[in-house]
Amino acid sequence: EAGVAQSPRYKIIEKRQSVAFWCNPISGHATLYWYQQILGQGPKLLIQFQNNGVVDDSQLPKDRFSAERLKGVDSTLKIQPAKLEDSAVYLCASSLDSSGMVETQYFGPGTRLLVL
Amino acid sequence: QQPVQSPQAVILREGEDAVINCSSSKALYSVHWYRQKHGEAPVFLMILLKGGEQKGHEKISASFNEKKQQSSLYLTASQLSYSGTYFCGTAAAGNKLTFGGGTRVLVKP
Repeated sequence: EAGVAQSPRYKIIEKRQSVAFWCNPISGHATLYWYQQILGQGPKLLIQFQNNGVVDDSQLPKDRFSAERLKGVDSTLKIQPAKLEDSAVYLCASSLDSSGMVETQYFGPGTRLLVL
Repeated sequence: QQPVQSPQAVILREGEDAVINCSSSKALYSVHWYRQKHGEAPVFLMILLKGGEQKGHEKISASFNEKKQQSSLYLTASQLSYSGTYFCGTAAAGNKLTFGGGTRVLVKP
């Protein structure tokens, strides 16, 4: 079974530029998550989708971050404009259902972003 | 609120045991344990549910103390492959999963 796919794996940009990350979840998984993991810290949830609807985006900096999951399958996370503090690994995860309390989340390899 | 993990780091010799703790100030419904190796994605180890039994994964097991809102991960007879950062994720009823800061484990030959 194919895992969660993410691209690109690495990205280096200058501050104030824009960047986009792509995620394709495990086939059949209804729920998709985007996490931000700053070096030395645990993953922090940015946004959670159930099919193509947003379940939780309370920690998404909406002035610069946006995400969409138009057809309920793959998803794109965008940052515009980027700040130095956005340097982090952006992890995408998926699960069968939306009950994050008990559902196993499967993570992709992540996109490592460096903002200069 | 983020769960607190302790210790922050531990160094073991192959074959030794270790315990990693995860504490929350909230009443928990579930605790999830993941291991992440450097530069890789977190890999799921196990989920513990409120009222559930102690779980195991190879020689790694975990318990959930509902009264203390604490979970412990036990690394028994550690192997070199156990090296990595261990994260607990906790969820209260109706809430999203929140991850702790991680515990770095290094197993030496």
